[in-house]
Amino acid sequence: SQTIHQWPATLVQPVGSPLSLECTVEGTSNPNLYWYRQAAGRGLQLLFYSVGIGQISSEVPQNLSASRPQDRQFILSSKKLLLSDSGFYLCAWSLTGGSSPLHFGNGTRLTVT
Amino acid sequence: AQSVAQPEDQVNVAEGNPLTVKCTYSVSGNPYLFWYVQYPNRGLQFLLKYITGDNLVKGSYGFEAEFNKSQTSFHLKKPSALVSDSALYFCAVRSPPTGKLIFGQGTTLQVKP
Repeated sequence: SQTIHQWPATLVQPVGSPLSLECTVEGTSNPNLYWYRQAAGRGLQLLFYSVGIGQISSEVPQNLSASRPQDRQFILSSKKLLLSDSGFYLCAWSLTGGSSPLHFGNGTRLTVT
Repeated sequence: AQSVAQPEDQVNVAEGNPLTVKCTYSVSGNPYLFWYVQYPNRGLQFLLKYITGDNLVKGSYGFEAEFNKSQTSFHLKKPSALVSDSALYFCAVRSPPTGKLIFGQGTTLQVKP
């Protein structure tokens, strides 16, 4: 069966520091991968998605970037964090095809101080 | 443009009573529809989906949803609510075949003993 791992679970970082959040998927090949941010425990904002190695689509211009160095690895990064980057970050994967649901990791709670 | 609306921020029901969480959508063409549940500080869990066929879809944990094309709705239902059903519920829609998955703002379900 497929599993998704996301770490760390919580992170407190000072303003201006770099960020690296990692997500890996097991049990499937060539998944679509996604990074979402959830603010205030409600709406989900799609940040990036990837349909293959090195293929990244950005949905919202911002202080963040994403990379997919391996088929089942998706990394969210920032060179310098802003206070507004605080939030709950969720990684997800899906099979290709519009009828496939997304499957989410347990998220990373990022607090920028 | 595709969109999804969850008109209720919160739904309160007594344990043992039936529950309904409402969702309406707007897409061009036939939609793919999904329901997810989120427990505090966790990722979203897939509950069920409608792609085509029978308008009543059954999913995990005793939940079901009814697709109504004329009313462009996809309401989530359960015949008998449990206290453990208390969580945040998200409806999502995708305009096939390759449209992005759009989430509603979420509805908090509170089931009281």
